[in-house]
Amino acid sequence: AQSVSQHNHHVILSEAASLELGCNYSYGGTVNLFWYVQYPGQHLQLLLKYFSGDPLVKGIKGFEAEFIKSKFSFNLRKPSVQWSDTAEYFCAVNAPRNTGFQKLVFGTGTRLLVSP
Amino acid sequence: DAGVTQSPTHLIKTRGQQVTLRCSPKSGHDTVSWYQQALGQGPQFIFQYYEEEERQRGNFPDRFSGHQFPNYSSELNVNALLLGDSALYLCASSSQLAGGQTQYFGPGTRLLVL
Repeated sequence: AQSVSQHNHHVILSEAASLELGCNYSYGGTVNLFWYVQYPGQHLQLLLKYFSGDPLVKGIKGFEAEFIKSKFSFNLRKPSVQWSDTAEYFCAVNAPRNTGFQKLVFGTGTRLLVSP
Repeated sequence: DAGVTQSPTHLIKTRGQQVTLRCSPKSGHDTVSWYQQALGQGPQFIFQYYEEEERQRGNFPDRFSGHQFPNYSSELNVNALLLGDSALYLCASSSQLAGGQTQYFGPGTRLLVL
């Protein structure tokens, strides 16, 4: 069965610190990878996604993620966090359309708190 | 551009009751997926509807059922509610024309079962 692991459940950073959130997945085939963010009181929003091509993808609000196939990883990074980045971050995976595997499998999430 | 909308926002039910949650997909989307998010957990896939049929189903009992209407909106029904059904229920929409892989989420319906 497909699974996603997010090893950091809670992360506390000061503003301007660099961020890296880990995500590892378990799936034998070609995958699509996503990071979603849930700000306090708001709904899940797509931060960035990887389908194919350049393994370094850039998303909104200065976030980026790197797909490392050999490590089954898709870590999220941001060089300098802001207080407004306080949120819960979810990594998710599904597979290309022709596999019929469209459901998203999510990790348990990482709660990020950025102190001013 | 209207995003995914869900109703109601909050709901309180008692054990054994039945509940219906509603979802309207993002404009131009034809596929609706439902997820359950328990407190402190990531969303868990319940099922997906396309062309008014259930296309995929997660590991949820038959008490969970759904429907998709010709206008692509969808309902999630849960019968014989249990305390453990208390969760945030999320609807996500996608477009098969665009590949169907990217899903956009609504704000959710928070269900409390007493």
